[in-house]
Amino acid sequence: QSLLTQPPSASGTPGQTVTIACSGGSSNIGSYSVSWYSHVPGRAPKLLIYGNDQRPSGVPARFSGSKSAPSASLAISSLQSDDEADYYCSTWDDDLNAWVFGGGTRVTVL
Amino acid sequence: QVHLVESGGGVVQPGRSLRVSCAASGFIFRDNAMHWVRQAPGKGLEWVAMISFDGSDKSYGASVKGRFTVSRDNLRDTLSLQMNDLGPDDSAVYFCARGSRDDLWALDVWGQGTLVTVSS
Repeated sequence: QSLLTQPPSASGTPGQTVTIACSGGSSNIGSYSVSWYSHVPGRAPKLLIYGNDQRPSGVPARFSGSKSAPSASLAISSLQSDDEADYYCSTWDDDLNAWVFGGGTRVTVL
Repeated sequence: QVHLVESGGGVVQPGRSLRVSCAASGFIFRDNAMHWVRQAPGKGLEWVAMISFDGSDKSYGASVKGRFTVSRDNLRDTLSLQMNDLGPDDSAVYFCARGSRDDLWALDVWGQGTLVTVSS
């Protein structure tokens, strides 16, 4: 049971916007910045968002992050078939003294 | 181009030890903290360990504390994870990841992972 709660699945048709929520608490999202990662099984995970809403170089603007403590969210706009992956939120947790990940959300493009 | 390549995975018996490694290239290795993250079959990502840029600070997840040891060689640009007293719950793909210099809590480059299977 992860300290960060994500829905197990989300889906949309090409062109739609999918939003993934990540719910935490005062010891994690309430106090620290949130990162988001995508992962296609068999490949390296990829950083999509850091610092709650910052995109690394090379990540399309279709991916956006926001935070309203103790929750955060990732939005994927103009959904494409290549966006099918597992998406994870992450941050530091003071109670565990550890980095923590959400349980992951599998995004399916219908 | 920044690359992280893990190696050393395999099948190991319960209670035995295994050492996995990560070769870094394309960046100044000694400038970044490094992490190990794992993914058990059918499960999500689990943070395992972190080592600071100079090796002076190390931290571990609760499930591996006291059994796993993270280390680095800044002359050889290599990260290692020594895993002792392995159990079936340690079976996973082990990823190495670079700590971001823009955000202390982000991991900005990941390897493709090495598979560790604990089985008799």
